[in-house]
Amino acid sequence: QSALTQPASVSGSPGQSITISCTGTYSAIGAYNFVSWYQQHPGKAPKLMIYEVSNRPSGVSNRFSGSKSGNTASLTISGLRAEDEADYYCFSYASYMLFGSGTKVTVL
Amino acid sequence: EVQLVESGGGLVQPGGSLRLSCAASGVTFSDFWMSWVRQAPGKGLEWVANIKHDGTEKNYVDSVKGRFTISRDNSKNSLYLQMNSLSADDTAMYFCAREQSSGCFDSWGQGTLVTVSS
Repeated sequence: QSALTQPASVSGSPGQSITISCTGTYSAIGAYNFVSWYQQHPGKAPKLMIYEVSNRPSGVSNRFSGSKSGNTASLTISGLRAEDEADYYCFSYASYMLFGSGTKVTVL
Repeated sequence: EVQLVESGGGLVQPGGSLRLSCAASGVTFSDFWMSWVRQAPGKGLEWVANIKHDGTEKNYVDSVKGRFTISRDNSKNSLYLQMNSLSADDTAMYFCAREQSSGCFDSWGQGTLVTVSS
């Protein structure tokens, strides 16, 4: 099975914007729009933040946005806040059901 | 509000078996595909298996094929994961999650911990 590669860590200061990338193959990312993103705080269940590349579920802050270019999906967090410090995972519902390697976001 | 509550985790010896359950409430359970997702201690998320709303289609990650069986009882609003031939690599928190047609998991349980150790 192919892998979805994310940076191990990304950091930013409060108020800044950060972007987390999720790179995979054409069959995992490029061919479909079934990419979603999850936020997970320590000891908690994951929470859906973005679905179908760029859609936000009801209740999720508009500071979170998603996009895709080629075989790379991205999650951008604008106006970074302390509570955004968490692990973030992309997920592809395509040829394989695959989570990304995960990114730890640190708010400096 | 959708609520998913997992149970059945615990300590099991290598080679042993365990059956996990996930009880759903606040949702028409039979309308949705359901999945199990696991997370080894300090590691990332791994999708394990899913099952169609009527139980007629099931899919598994390669590492559990032939050892794990996903099932559901819509009359009891419950999802199950029968795990056999367990090894240390199966040690993880196991979450059940509801799938949407958009290919995402919009509701999650809090998880049940499975520890495989002698």
